[in-house]
Amino acid sequence: LAKTTQPISMDSYEGQEVNITCSHNNIATNDYITWYQQFPSQGPRFIIQGYKTKVTNEVASLFIPADRKSSTLSLPRVSLSDTAVYYCLVGGDNAGNMLTFGGGTRLMVKP
Amino acid sequence: NAGVTQTPKFRVLKTGQSMTLLCAQDMNHEYMYWYRQDPGMGLRLIHYSVGEGTTAKGEVPDGYNVSRLKKQNFLLGLESAAPSQTSVYFCASSYELGGSYNEQFFGPGTRLTVL
Repeated sequence: LAKTTQPISMDSYEGQEVNITCSHNNIATNDYITWYQQFPSQGPRFIIQGYKTKVTNEVASLFIPADRKSSTLSLPRVSLSDTAVYYCLVGGDNAGNMLTFGGGTRLMVKP
Repeated sequence: NAGVTQTPKFRVLKTGQSMTLLCAQDMNHEYMYWYRQDPGMGLRLIHYSVGEGTTAKGEVPDGYNVSRLKKQNFLLGLESAAPSQTSVYFCASSYELGGSYNEQFFGPGTRLTVL
């Protein structure tokens, strides 16, 4: 089961770019890397997913180096509403490799 | 589309009481999941289902039972509630279990307190 390590918390200011890095040294060949966002009192929400290189959508970018042992979620020009917990997950390709939510990274965006 | 809904939103139980949490999804997803989230912690998988009539244990299944009699519904039961089961319970569903289509859609959660 691929495990992930990410910072417990991060602080930023409005308008800045935020990069959250996740380590997953034992990622398997079939594993995808998925990031979720969770606001207080809500369920997690899918942000972005990737397998290799770079993926970009309207919310974020995901950078994955060639060895895939880490990934970086990039949030451009954050606002106060981006204050949330961000979870990095790997795996989920079969029942024996279920997606596991770790503790996540608590991002605080300040004015 | 309502997405994933959960019933009830809040519940207070006494130790030893039983209850059932209902999860419903209208996206025709095969896969459904029950998680619990304790304060300040990440989500932990209790049970999951890979299709109608099938269920499997997750990371923390003890004290819980589940049933998936209809594809759109996934029930979580507590036969004899304990204070350690005080938590927020989230249900989720997904189109696939793995690969690039395993995005999970979450319900709003059920806040359960066991006294």
